Amino acid sequence: EADIYQTPRYLVIGTGKKITLECSQTMGHDKMYWYQQDPGMELHLIHYSYGVNSTEKGDLSSESTVSRIRTEHFPLTLESARPSHTSQYLCASSLQRTDTQYFGPGTRLTVL
Amino acid sequence: GESVGLHLPTLSVQEGDNSIINCAYSNSASDYFIWYKQESGKGPQFIIDIRSNMDKRQGQRVTVLLNKTVKHLSLQIAATQPGDSAVYFCAETGGNQFYFGTGTSLTVIP
Repeated sequence: EADIYQTPRYLVIGTGKKITLECSQTMGHDKMYWYQQDPGMELHLIHYSYGVNSTEKGDLSSESTVSRIRTEHFPLTLESARPSHTSQYLCASSLQRTDTQYFGPGTRLTVL
Repeated sequence: GESVGLHLPTLSVQEGDNSIINCAYSNSASDYFIWYKQESGKGPQFIIDIRSNMDKRQGQRVTVLLNKTVKHLSLQIAATQPGDSAVYFCAETGGNQFYFGTGTSLTVIP
């Protein structure tokens, strides 16, 4: 069982709200990732970090931002949520860039 | 770009039978592959991995086969159980980032 946690698990909010999705891992992994997954679809990388103070955008264009102030914490923020942001957001971490990625349980976000 | 796809979107098997889930990839430089299991409402769970210097790897009730010639990966589940019902997808990397397939939904019929 991987030690990676996400909160909240489910979130329903109104358009225009600012939200932060939390992700924490206790494995000491340097590499952390955020993916977006729509039902029945593949995972799309939206952000990643290879260490503290290092963040990069992934393949999928996203209006979200991330920060990496501490190794174990990689929060994702939406400044102004829109219905198009409705999706499942998965956080993952790995020891090395090409090592197995361990996933959190996900946050299912619904924007009304 | 990368292309990782699964041959069948759904698969139904009888409890106790063996299951085979397939995955094709397009990047000949990919050298590390993972199979994940994702149950409804949960995050993907690591099942088994294989590196390109191997063509077969076995775990508990699962076997992954890698055919680099045709860029094909398969997951075999022996004696499939109801708890195996989930979406299974492969992931591959050539050293930069992982690319994930869409997934195959496995349903085990009691």
